[in-house]
Amino acid sequence: EVQLLESGGGLVQPGGSLRLSCAASGFTFSSYAMSWVRQAPGKGLEWVSAISGSGLTTYYVDSVKGRFTISRDKSKNTLYLQMNSLRAEDTAVYYCATELGGWSRVFDSWGQGTLVTVSS
Amino acid sequence: DIQMTQSPSSLSASVGDRVTITCRASQSVSSFLNWYQQKPGKVPKLLIYGASSLQSGVPSRFSGSGSGTDFSLTISSLQPEDFATYYCQQSHSTPQTFGQGTKVEIK
Repeated sequence: EVQLLESGGGLVQPGGSLRLSCAASGFTFSSYAMSWVRQAPGKGLEWVSAISGSGLTTYYVDSVKGRFTISRDKSKNTLYLQMNSLRAEDTAVYYCATELGGWSRVFDSWGQGTLVTVSS
Repeated sequence: DIQMTQSPSSLSASVGDRVTITCRASQSVSSFLNWYQQKPGKVPKLLIYGASSLQSGVPSRFSGSGSGTDFSLTISSLQPEDFATYYCQQSHSTPQTFGQGTKVEIK
């Protein structure tokens, strides 16, 4: 059974940094692309970033380019999202998700999410 | 970026009703269209991928159709556990974008 467990969320001031982690189990970690998807309070879903199974290819939504960095550690079966220069509009629940079939942009398994609040 | 527009934004229906939600893409996404269900306080769940393929474990009362720019999700007989918000999402190109959601409420 696929299990994804996010951590690292919390309250941070505007301009601050935070690193999210997503511990994965139940599947061959390096065989699957993974994404971060966020949901602002009371709002819809927004894809944020994706990384290939090898970790060599990454993608970002324009609003986080240059501020967020996605990475993965095969030895720890863990996905990361380093978030710098945080803004109020980055406040959201951040979910990690696996991609159906390995690399499809279809999100078939989701973690429980971790809340990031950017506020002074 | 491809914009996804769902209609309606919300609807009220009764148990047993047939419900249809539509999703329109700002440009063709071929059949790269997926549907998710999210219940309050819960994690999104994949229902349909590739416009019409039912994800494993999803009840057969859910079905999807369409191609190009116009798609629909149909629930053939609404059940109490189906009251939720539904999102479409295109997986044709990056950034993969979601619709704004359709909230299905109890009448």
